[in-house]
Amino acid sequence: KAGVTQTPRYLIKTRGQQVTLSCSPISGHRSVSWYQQTPGQGLQFLFEYFSETQRNKGNFPGRFSGRQFSNSRSEMNVSTLELGDSALYLCASGAGRLGTDTQYFGPGTRLTVL
Amino acid sequence: QQPVQSPQAVILREGEDAVINCSSSKALYSVHWYRQKHGEAPVFLMILLKGGEQKGHEKISASFNEKKQQSSLYLTASQLSYSGTYFCGTENRGGGSNYKLTFGKGTLLTVNP
Repeated sequence: KAGVTQTPRYLIKTRGQQVTLSCSPISGHRSVSWYQQTPGQGLQFLFEYFSETQRNKGNFPGRFSGRQFSNSRSEMNVSTLELGDSALYLCASGAGRLGTDTQYFGPGTRLTVL
Repeated sequence: QQPVQSPQAVILREGEDAVINCSSSKALYSVHWYRQKHGEAPVFLMILLKGGEQKGHEKISASFNEKKQQSSLYLTASQLSYSGTYFCGTENRGGGSNYKLTFGKGTLLTVNP
């Protein structure tokens, strides 16, 4: 069974631009959650999508948004990029909703904002 | 509110035991435990729910103390493969239906031969 895949793996953007990251969950999984990891702030929860609906959201500004498609693939969008958005963005998938089932993480997308 | 993990770092010899604690200032509903090796994505270890039983998998187990608002991860007879940073993620569900995970800063565990 293929694992969680994230594309692209590395990305360099400049301040003010926007970026879209993609996450393909394990086949059959309906939950996709997103996380930001930085050396300073550590691991932070962004949001969770389940069956195409955002179910839960962390404390991030509205510049961070996402969506989930009918095939459970999810995208995360960050608009008006800031230097502080440089981070490793991880997604995880699960068969059930966050908090009910094992989560499987993808390798992450390393975003650098210049 | 970010949970507090202790210790921040621990060094073990192969075969030794370790305990990692995760404390919250708010009432806990669930605790998630992860391990992350350098340069890799986190690996989910287990989730403990309020009112649930102690969980375990081989030589790694965890407990959840509701009164103390704390969870502890127990690693027994450590192996080299246990090295990594261990994170706890807590969910307080203070109100509403928004399920929000908050992570501790991590505990760096090093197992030496």
